Parts: sequence; C-alpha cells; structure tokens
Amino acid sequence: NAGVTQTPKFRILKIGQSMTLQCTQDMNHNYMYWYRQDPGMGLKLIYYSVGAGITDKGEVPNGYNVSRSTTEDFPLRLELAAPSQTSVYFCASSYSDRGLNEQFFGPGTRLTVL
Amino acid sequence: GQQVMQIPQYQHVQEGEDFTTYCNSSTTLSNIQWYKQRPGGHPVFLIQLVKSGEVKKQKRLTFQFGEAKKNSSLHITATQTTDVGTYFCAGLTGTYKYIFGTGTRLKVLA
Repeated sequence: NAGVTQTPKFRILKIGQSMTLQCTQDMNHNYMYWYRQDPGMGLKLIYYSVGAGITDKGEVPNGYNVSRSTTEDFPLRLELAAPSQTSVYFCASSYSDRGLNEQFFGPGTRLTVL
Repeated sequence: GQQVMQIPQYQHVQEGEDFTTYCNSSTTLSNIQWYKQRPGGHPVFLIQLVKSGEVKKQKRLTFQFGEAKKNSSLHITATQTTDVGTYFCAGLTGTYKYIFGTGTRLKVLA
C-alpha cells in the first residue's frame, strides 16, 4: 500500500492563479481531511469528508473548495491564490467505526504564493 | 472558538533528561490523539486516549488524559536524540473534527 499520496510536492503560484492539490489514499478509508500548517505552527483543518459525496468545512475554509467523488480521492482547490495561503498542506485519512481513528498523513505540498 | 493550547512551545533538554508537554482544551474532548512530526516531515500517530483519567505507556513515553477530559500530557523518560521533533495533541471536539494543539518543539542535546 502506498498510503496517502499528495501531488505536487512543491509549487509556486502568482497572486490570483488557481491550482488543485491532489490527494489519494489506497487504504479504503472513509474519512479524509485537509490541513494547512504555517511555519512553526500547528495544523488547521480546512475541509473534511466522511465519505464519497459528503464534505464539510473545518476551521479555515475560506479561499478553498473540495470535492469527494470517490473514496480514494480528495482534491483541494485554490481559486484565487493569495500570499496568506502560503503554507504546507497536508492531506490525511482515517477509518472510523467509532473506535480508533488514527489519521494517516501524506507527505505534504509546500505552496508559496508570490 | 474552540482552542487547544500546548505548553511549553519549545523545550531543549540534555540527552537523558525527562521531558513533558501539556495540552489544554477550552472544551471537553471526546478523545485525544498525540502525533510526532520530525523536522521537514509529516505528523505520525502515536496514541489515542478515550477514557477519563486514562494512562497509557509506550516504552519511554507515558500519556495521560485528564479526569475532566479537557487536558492531557505526554511524558518522555530519559530522552534520546531520536526523540527530536514537534509533538502535537489533537482533540476530537465534534463528531469528526480534530483540533490540533499548537505543538511543543523538542530539541535534545547530546
């Protein structure tokens, strides 16, 4: 199993550009999450999904959109990039049956907006 | 809004010394998880605590969940250089959402 994979690893955007961060998991997990981590800070939840076709906002959703058409994929869309979106983005997945729901993280995408 | 704070923010210890990080939530948590993030890496799950007053051990690591389920701690006995990294707690506040703490960055001096 590859676990959680993210592409790209690095990206530089100009202000106003758009991009999609890709996230795929092969563990058949029902829950998926997007977090951002600013330098020296903790992780902030952007969006999450509890299954295909179901998404909901986290703590910091403004400026982002998500979709979950399959169990495996959970792309994050930035429509009009702003310098405040410079951060490291982590995708995570977990399987929860109301018991242990360990989150497995991808390697991250380092995004810089200039 | 809901917040999860951790103290200290940074800790430098000599190898062999003990280390403790504390996690405090503004609201009661359903459960709490702990993660370790090495420099330049991604968070890796360490443990999950669910019950009030729960204590779990993993070799040199001891995790506690407070009686009121609003605080938690991670204690490392006799730190090693491999313990270097940032330790995060993450509290389950709603049905599916985890709020991550601010993290404690541990540096171990050989």
